[in-house]
Amino acid sequence: DSGVTQTPKHLITATGQRVTLRCSPRSGDLSVYWYQQSLDQGLQFLIQYYNGEERAKGNILERFSAQQFPDLHSELNLSSLELGDSALYFCASSFRAGRQETQYFGPGTRLLVL
Amino acid sequence: AQRVTQPEKLLSVFKGAPVELKCNYSYSGSPELFWYVQYSRQRLQLLLRHISRESIKGFTADLNKGETSFHLKKPFAQEEDSAMYYCALSRTGNQFYFGTGTSLTVIP
Repeated sequence: DSGVTQTPKHLITATGQRVTLRCSPRSGDLSVYWYQQSLDQGLQFLIQYYNGEERAKGNILERFSAQQFPDLHSELNLSSLELGDSALYFCASSFRAGRQETQYFGPGTRLLVL
Repeated sequence: AQRVTQPEKLLSVFKGAPVELKCNYSYSGSPELFWYVQYSRQRLQLLLRHISRESIKGFTADLNKGETSFHLKKPFAQEEDSAMYYCALSRTGNQFYFGTGTSLTVIP
């Protein structure tokens, strides 16, 4: 157990709907990353937050948004869902000690859009 | 621009045989490189990172700056090594870039 938690574990919804995925980082970690893992595209970086502020953006669609709250938990909002959004969504939190930064991954949220 | 390339999507080896999972990267600075592993139905977890020069579960990886590679090697594969392996690159203090992963199957 990495200490990173994600809810819900599974989510089934319909096209056009909106969902919110939640991530709680490990205690003390200030950075949260969101990734999308699909069968054909591997692990795609979506967005990173550090201490409440957006730090880096990857391949995140405009229909998706995220935020990190003062208690450092993060939410990923996916709207106008399409069939192709079905994937496993991971969050990771990271800790930096000197030059070394290590990411710890949550168990993921499996999203199925029907 | 693709920063991390794992050319093999699938790799099968027999138990006891050597295994090498390839990873090439493109980055002009000094990257931090990692290997992550995802066992069936489990979360991704860090296997090793180049800066530690460690050996975990018999796996090693050497950073070759000339060839911009960070291949993962193990001299004798075990059945429990069957998993998805991801190579990752980190720009200091910023985002991580992951390869598309290699699914390793160790045949008994």
